[in-house]
Amino acid sequence: QVQLVESGGGVVQPGRSLRLSCAASGFSFSSYGMHWVRQAPGKGLEWVAVIWYDGGNKDYADSVKGRFTISRDNSKNTLSLQMNSLRTADTAVYYCASGMSGMDVWGQGTTVTVSS
Amino acid sequence: IVMTQSPATLSVSPGERATLSCRASQSVSGNLAWYQQKPGQAPRLLIYGASTRATGIPVRFSGSGSGTEFTLTISSLQSEDFAVYYCQQYNSWPPMYTFGQGTKLEIK
Repeated sequence: QVQLVESGGGVVQPGRSLRLSCAASGFSFSSYGMHWVRQAPGKGLEWVAVIWYDGGNKDYADSVKGRFTISRDNSKNTLSLQMNSLRTADTAVYYCASGMSGMDVWGQGTTVTVSS
Repeated sequence: IVMTQSPATLSVSPGERATLSCRASQSVSGNLAWYQQKPGQAPRLLIYGASTRATGIPVRFSGSGSGTEFTLTISSLQSEDFAVYYCQQYNSWPPMYTFGQGTKLEIK
């Protein structure tokens, strides 16, 4: 069935790096734009980044621009988020999601905790 | 673009109608989606294109509006509908998929 599965979350100190992955299955991954969306504890949803179906265009929320990099490997049906210079404010559940006109498939999320 | 949802919390009895609002700080045309999120779960797409129900979404969910004013209506609330609802715009360029702050729909 259609599925997105995130991995790579964990506890990391401020200023360090972490790389998240999202494995896609059950649909034509290379045909869809993909996003990362995060949700801080007890807060609402915050869009983080988008990448076009072919990786040709990427965009980021101002809060992560210059620190996070979104990428994809269509040969492996995998989406990634490289997170550098992490801050305590980056603590959240990170979801990957597909779709450019509404995000219609979501993963279950992976938790990132930035703490000293 | 800033998305503002109202009210923050809405208390409605089962079987009644719920009306949730979303306002954009500038026009997003019809490029608006609605999501439902229950505790401990990922969001679920309900509506895209302001008024088109996503696959498998019951007909009691309907969306309307364009430009800066949007509404999500749930015609007869079921117990499983009590959740947090978010609107999201996808009109801006460069693309910024801004979410509203959410409306919590609770049982009255």
